[in-house]
Amino acid sequence: AQSVTQLDSQVPVFEEAPVELRCNYSSSVSVYLFWYVQYPNQGLQLLLKYLSGSTLVKGINGFEAEFNKSQTSFHLRKPSVHISDTAEYFCAVSEVGGGADGLTFGKGTHLIIQP
Amino acid sequence: DTAVSQTPKYLVTQMGNDKSIKCEQNLGHDTMYWYKQDSKKFLKIMFSYNNKELIINETVPNRFSPKSPDKAHLNLHINSLELGDSAVYFCASSPGVGVGDTQYFGPGTRLTVL
Repeated sequence: AQSVTQLDSQVPVFEEAPVELRCNYSSSVSVYLFWYVQYPNQGLQLLLKYLSGSTLVKGINGFEAEFNKSQTSFHLRKPSVHISDTAEYFCAVSEVGGGADGLTFGKGTHLIIQP
Repeated sequence: DTAVSQTPKYLVTQMGNDKSIKCEQNLGHDTMYWYKQDSKKFLKIMFSYNNKELIINETVPNRFSPKSPDKAHLNLHINSLELGDSAVYFCASSPGVGVGDTQYFGPGTRLTVL
């Protein structure tokens, strides 16, 4: 079984400042890693994912994340945030070879952009 | 041309009633899922179907029964609704069952049980 920890439930940031949203995972097997974003009253949208290869993954809307196997982390970063980035961000994992097991999600981080 | 659609968007009902939520995907995907998001925004997998066959049934009460009439549809039936069933239910689909397939989510159905 896997688990995902997002330590920060809420992160306030000023517009145009950089941001990092932290994600750590625990698993006895290899996993794939995902970041999803949920805008208010909407469904979830994939930002980026790590399957294999380069540990630095670039996604949509200027976001990137780095997989660190030794620290079992997959932190999300953006160098300069915009007011439209205000949303809930979810880190998730799925087991390699796990078939249709679905995603295991963290509890989410609410990113609040202040003007 | 919505990829994953759910109806209804909002559902308000009384305790003890039976209700259904419908989900359709037009992406040609083989695998579909139901997730529940509670009031604290925590998302948890409930069911997954691959080619109309049940793959996962997490520890969900048997009052919840998914039904897949074809690959493009996965409906969720809930019997004898309870207050604790109030949540947002998300349907999702993915191309298949391997290699970290991206899941595409519907807009959600907000269920309120009074």
